[in-house]
Amino acid sequence: EIVLTQSPATLSLSPGERATLSCRASQSISGYVAWYQQKPGQAPRLLISDASNRATGIPARFSGSGSGTDFTLTISSLEPEDFAVYYCQQRSTRLWTFGQGTRVEIK
Amino acid sequence: EVQLLESGGNLVQPGGSLRLSCAASGFTFRNYAMSWVRQAPGRGLEWVSTLSGVGDDPYYADSVKGRFTISRDNSKDTLYLQMNSLRAEDTAVYFCARNSPTATSILFDCWGQGTLVTVSS
Repeated sequence: EIVLTQSPATLSLSPGERATLSCRASQSISGYVAWYQQKPGQAPRLLISDASNRATGIPARFSGSGSGTDFTLTISSLEPEDFAVYYCQQRSTRLWTFGQGTRVEIK
Repeated sequence: EVQLLESGGNLVQPGGSLRLSCAASGFTFRNYAMSWVRQAPGRGLEWVSTLSGVGDDPYYADSVKGRFTISRDNSKDTLYLQMNSLRAEDTAVYFCARNSPTATSILFDCWGQGTLVTVSS
């Protein structure tokens, strides 16, 4: 089973700052990761697919990159609504796994 | 508009059973594989089970294999999760999610709001 490790666990930033979130896989992924955003009391929302493709309606300040074992989600300039928990996710044969999440909080 | 509405969550004793439902609307249900993903209180997301659009070849996480059964009724646009031999560690919000294929993977592009299952005596 491929394990996804996200870092840091918590990111304390101010609105307008740049956020860089990391997701590292325990072995090379044949496909790419997806990224989700979750706010308290809400369902997760798909942000990024295939490492770098924004889902419908996702603002351009969100971008993804990476391949193999190392993937990154970048929020270029944090808006107040971006403070949330972010998860990476990958699919192996007959199995899906998520990272443990990175919380982006207001500094 | 795509909508997924879960129901059936409740308080149940250890060893008990529960059936969750997810009513879908706004898309052609039979054309999509569907999944259950859970989230224990204060914890991260855990994939539970996935079923193809035609209802064959279910996938299960090791943590629920042999205890949970996923099924669907395409005539009712509804996904189910039968949960037996429930344990305290099954306590979680259970989300229904639609699977969507991409160029390189299959992900969860739409989610319901979740239903809470609490396993406790």
